Amino acid sequence: EDKVVQSPLSLVVHEGDTVTLNCSYEVTNFRSLLWYKQEKKAPTFLFMLTSSGIEKKSGRLSSILDKKELFSILNITATQTGDSAVYLCAVVKGGSEKLVFGKGTKLTVNP
Amino acid sequence: EAQVTQNPRYLITVTGKKLTVTCSQNMNHEYMSWYRQDPGLGLRQIYYSMNVEVTDKGDVPEGYKVSRKEKRNFPLILESPSPNQTSLYFCASSFSRGTFIFGPGTRLTVL
Repeated sequence: EDKVVQSPLSLVVHEGDTVTLNCSYEVTNFRSLLWYKQEKKAPTFLFMLTSSGIEKKSGRLSSILDKKELFSILNITATQTGDSAVYLCAVVKGGSEKLVFGKGTKLTVNP
Repeated sequence: EAQVTQNPRYLITVTGKKLTVTCSQNMNHEYMSWYRQDPGLGLRQIYYSMNVEVTDKGDVPEGYKVSRKEKRNFPLILESPSPNQTSLYFCASSFSRGTFIFGPGTRLTVL
């Protein structure tokens, strides 16, 4: 059975802290891994990762994929209160294009 | 503006009263899908469509129907809604091998 597991499930930090969110997966026919941010509305796209070892960056956010060990991490440096959200990891299965989601990590950034 | 739209955004209905939630995208995406999001269970796929007239079941298709008569539209039909279908519903679309764009969500309550 396909499985995507995110950890931790929730995290509370102070502004300025650096956080690392984890996503491990066991999915047949892996095509890519996606990270989304969800703030009480629709998930918004952050990163798509298809190749191992290549870091994707966008401002204070970065992500990397390890296809051998079947995991990905999302790093957020110098966190701000606006980073408070649920971060979702999803794996895309090739062929069907089906998305398998993890349950998400709820990040709370306190001032 | 490239987007996925859903209607209605909020709906309260009663058990057994047929309803349709519409989904439309203006990006000429081949792939469209429906998800429901429930606390503690995350996002789960209901149905997906690889192209016009091609649809298939996701993980939780029971009680739902879909159709894909035009590329841009992918309505979700609940023939006889029940309280366990109370949920937050998202439609999403993508190009093949692309990222997934989510609609704004439809919050459905079945009494």
